[in-house]
Amino acid sequence: AQTVTQSQPEMSVQEAETVTLSCTYDTSESDYYLFWYKQPPSRQMILVIRQEAYKQQNATENRFSVNFQKAAKSFSLKISDSQLGDAAMYFCAYKRGNQFYFGTGTSLTVIP
Amino acid sequence: DAGVIQSPRHEVTEMGQEVTLRCKPISGHNSLFWYRQTMMRGLELLIYFNNNVPIDDSGMPEDRFSAKMPNASFSTLKIQPSEPRDSAVYFCASVLRTDTQYFGPGTRLTVL
Repeated sequence: AQTVTQSQPEMSVQEAETVTLSCTYDTSESDYYLFWYKQPPSRQMILVIRQEAYKQQNATENRFSVNFQKAAKSFSLKISDSQLGDAAMYFCAYKRGNQFYFGTGTSLTVIP
Repeated sequence: DAGVIQSPRHEVTEMGQEVTLRCKPISGHNSLFWYRQTMMRGLELLIYFNNNVPIDDSGMPEDRFSAKMPNASFSTLKIQPSEPRDSAVYFCASVLRTDTQYFGPGTRLTVL
């Protein structure tokens, strides 16, 4: 069974607009971590943002923020004021114990 | 901090040859992960170490793959003999205790 699901293989956004990438996960645990990673064409996996499940407040990093809905097991990423450099593959990840589980990724295109 | 270091960045070899990929984790990190990424299968966990000890190698595809971590600052992933289907990008990532995973730049392996 897929632990982390990203239902949008591809998304596009106009430069300077806002886009939301979806992620859902499956768990019976109450304490865990969630992450969004960005993989640009360089292939480097870059941490964008992380969320501890015990924290109710949504994490924010500059133009990147999450909407963490624990009961719904949903962890979406919002990118505000999209820039050309945001174009990349975005992976949602869930951490349980020492194990990390990754989604299949969403390819984001930014249209000038 | 230099981040996770991987070498080589690119490797082209012929079928049947031995390939060794190298990883230097971030100093002080106590867990190390090896992943393989392909278009078809996405990001796959091959093996991970905790305090230099292999914890879960269930993702290692077959006996041709082996991984070692002789000390806290070095790990290798070896493929012997290599096959064309091993062509992929191989990532190493390290973690401090139970916190965030930081990825190396990856090694792009091509087996002809």
